Amino acid sequence: GQQVMQIPQYQHVQEGEDFTTYCNSSTTLSNIQWYKQRPGGHPVFLIQLVKSGEVKKQKRLTFQFGEAKKNSSLHITATQTTDVGTYFCAAASFDQTGANNLFFGTGTRLTVIP
Amino acid sequence: EAQVTQNPRYLITVTGKKLTVTCSQNMNHEYMSWYRQDPGLGLRQIYYSMNVEVTDKGDVPEGYKVSRKEKRNFPLILESPSPNQTSLYFCASSSTKRGTDTQYFGPGTRLTVL
Repeated sequence: GQQVMQIPQYQHVQEGEDFTTYCNSSTTLSNIQWYKQRPGGHPVFLIQLVKSGEVKKQKRLTFQFGEAKKNSSLHITATQTTDVGTYFCAAASFDQTGANNLFFGTGTRLTVIP
Repeated sequence: EAQVTQNPRYLITVTGKKLTVTCSQNMNHEYMSWYRQDPGLGLRQIYYSMNVEVTDKGDVPEGYKVSRKEKRNFPLILESPSPNQTSLYFCASSSTKRGTDTQYFGPGTRLTVL
């Protein structure tokens, strides 16, 4: 099936430092979504990117979709303890017949040290 | 309140004892799906359904069954659970038939099979 690689698997940062997680695919993606899962919680939708080269911002979070639509990144500026959690990308492959499903990355677990 | 509910939230059982995890959504969503989450493996899809009486296998369907007799409900059935099915399970729904749009997740069911 579709493979979406996400790195790093873990990231520890001091509060106030920046954080970035990356998603990469070998195939062209029709869209990519980002989800956040707080410890003990469930994944919650953050954003969807559809266009090549698209950049969207939500306060301190910046989401990018690569020009080739094969990669994406989530960048958090000046992390806060409320940013703690696991961030997942989820992608639908443009080449897949029907594209009925999303494929989730393995997630990046962010720890913020106060 | 729009939501996806799952029951039970926690379950400890023994090998071979049939169990059902219920999932219900009140958003009139077409698409519903089951995922399992394991450390280092992210979210992997078990089964999905694009409409009533329409179900299909995801990436890891072995050992699981589902049914979609009503639009709002999508139970996950483990006929003969085994220890390798110990995991955190999430039900999700999406408003369009194609599961490539925003997924709304339930709170999760933590299953332990002894």
